[in-house]
Amino acid sequence: DSGVTQTPKHLITATGQRVTLRCSPRSGDLSVYWYQQSLDQGLQFLIQYYNGEERAKGNILERFSAQQFPDLHSELNLSSLELGDSALYFCASSVGGRGGETQYFGPGTRLLVL
Amino acid sequence: TQLLEQSPQFLSIQEGENLTVYCNSSSVFSSLQWYRQEPGEGPVLLVTVVTGGEVKKLKRLTFQFGDARKDSSLHITAAQPGDTGLYLCAGVGQPTDSNYQLIWGAGTKLIIKP
Repeated sequence: DSGVTQTPKHLITATGQRVTLRCSPRSGDLSVYWYQQSLDQGLQFLIQYYNGEERAKGNILERFSAQQFPDLHSELNLSSLELGDSALYFCASSVGGRGGETQYFGPGTRLLVL
Repeated sequence: TQLLEQSPQFLSIQEGENLTVYCNSSSVFSSLQWYRQEPGEGPVLLVTVVTGGEVKKLKRLTFQFGDARKDSSLHITAAQPGDTGLYLCAGVGQPTDSNYQLIWGAGTKLIIKP
């Protein structure tokens, strides 16, 4: 158990809909990262927040947005969903804001868009 | 743009065989991390190599960082079915980089058949 929690574990929705994925980092970690992983693919870095502020941006679509709240939990919002958005979405956390630190991953949210 | 290439992308071998997975780049990294991801779970850090030429052992797994800190390898001796998973390498850029983030390889999917 990494200490990072993600909800929900599974999500099935339809094209055009909007969903929100939630992540709680390990106790004491200030950074949260979001990743997308399609079937049998590597990790695609989406975005990083550090202590409530956006720190780094990766290949995040404009239809996707994220935020980190004062209690450090984070939400990833996916809107106007398309079939190709079906994937595993991972949240990771680390102690500080430097992206090169060890990241601790949650169990992921499996999103299926029908 | 820094890139990390992993090879092979997929490997299926019999229990007891040896194997090597490679992670190569034209860029220099300050350190390199190896993660293992089991089906349905998030990646878990196995090891971080920091010094050029460094060799680290984790039971039957041997990790090596290239002398020039541009490449790394993971060697598994006498592979076991429990070694099955997706192996990911992630390079840590230079501290002076403006975007000091992990650079992820695409992963090697390893299947060990009993």
